[in-house]
Amino acid sequence: DAGVTQSPTHLIKTRGQHVTLRCSPISGHKSVSWYQQVLGQGPQFIFQYYEKEERGRGNFPDRFSARQFPNYSSELNVNALLLGDSALYLCASSLISPGGSGNTIYFGEGSWLTVV
Amino acid sequence: RKEVEQDPGPFNVPEGATVAFNCTYSNSASQSFFWYRQDCRKEPKLLMSVYSSGNEDGRFTAQLNRASQYISLLIRDSKLSDSATYLCVVNQAGTALIFGKGTTLSVSS
Repeated sequence: DAGVTQSPTHLIKTRGQHVTLRCSPISGHKSVSWYQQVLGQGPQFIFQYYEKEERGRGNFPDRFSARQFPNYSSELNVNALLLGDSALYLCASSLISPGGSGNTIYFGEGSWLTVV
Repeated sequence: RKEVEQDPGPFNVPEGATVAFNCTYSNSASQSFFWYRQDCRKEPKLLMSVYSSGNEDGRFTAQLNRASQYISLLIRDSKLSDSATYLCVVNQAGTALIFGKGTTLSVSS
């Protein structure tokens, strides 16, 4: 079975541009979360979606938005890119809402975004 | 105060050494605890969950002290392949994972 897949794997954008990152969860998983990992830091929570509804939002500006589709795939959108948005963007998939015993969370390989 | 704080790294140890990582968390409502491993430029991968009674998986032992809000990871007989960043992670049921900054381990021959 395929794991969590993300696209694109690497991309370079210019300040002020917009970016869309995509994620397909493991088959059967209904929860998708997005994390931002800046170099030298741990991943920071951006959004959580479960059953196509937003279930959580981290401390990120409104330039960041996301959605989950009927097939449970998800998109993360970032508008008006800043240099500080350069990071690894990780998508995580789980069967149900994250947390709790027995509910393992799996990460995709991430999308490396460089803003110049 | 950060929600999850870990020992500053890096830890540089020889093969065969025993190394311990510590982590503290600030939210007493946290319910689930994990150690993740992250290799350079790769995604985090679950190393082990941490249970109140403590748990062991081969050379790895995890401990949780809820009263002190403290989590630890012990690696015995270190291997070169253990070189990675180890992330302490806490979670309240149904919410996001909260990651520590990570501690880098370098095992040398």
